[in-house]
Amino acid sequence: TQLLEQSPQFLSIQEGENLTVYCNSSSVFSSLQWYRQEPGEGPVLLVTVVTGGEVKKLKRLTFQFGDARKDSSLHITAAQPGDTGLYLCAGPHSGTYKYIFGTGTRLKVLA
Amino acid sequence: DVKVTQSSRYLVKRTGEKVFLECVQDMDHENMFWYRQDPGLGLRLIYFSYDVKMKEKGDIPEGYSVSREKKERFSLILESASTNQTSMYLCASSTGTSGGFSYEQYFGPGTRLTVT
Repeated sequence: TQLLEQSPQFLSIQEGENLTVYCNSSSVFSSLQWYRQEPGEGPVLLVTVVTGGEVKKLKRLTFQFGDARKDSSLHITAAQPGDTGLYLCAGPHSGTYKYIFGTGTRLKVLA
Repeated sequence: DVKVTQSSRYLVKRTGEKVFLECVQDMDHENMFWYRQDPGLGLRLIYFSYDVKMKEKGDIPEGYSVSREKKERFSLILESASTNQTSMYLCASSTGTSGGFSYEQYFGPGTRLTVT
């Protein structure tokens, strides 16, 4: 069974701090996606990483896919209150149309 | 931009009522999904559809049914609503290109359903 474990589960930091969220699996994924979900809303796709070792940047967010395509990380530089939300990694379940979701990291950035 | 819309943002229904949740996507995606999201349990797949009139059970299909008569529209039906179906319901769509590497799912804004 493909699983995606995220760490930490919860993170509360001050505005301006840096942070890293991890998404780990013992299985290989063909791609991984990162989503941010705000309270009462649906998840919004931030990025897709496909190639092992790939790094993608979205303003202050940097996403990396592990060389072996079993893990990914999200680094936020100089966090802002607008970054507050639930961060989910996810990836396609091999051989099916299903999707595996990570356990989630709930981030709170204090002004 | 992909757009997935859901018929209601908030819904309050009584136990035993039949409830319809509708989802529409405008990107000509083959696949559509219904999830429910509960605190501590994450997103759980109820049903998905990979083509018109085709459907597959997800992990928690009991008490639910679905309908996909048109490619852009996927409906979730609660045959007889119960209080344990109070939840956030999320619809998503994705491409079905089997040769591609990515199957990003695009989500609607969600429907917060309360069954009393």
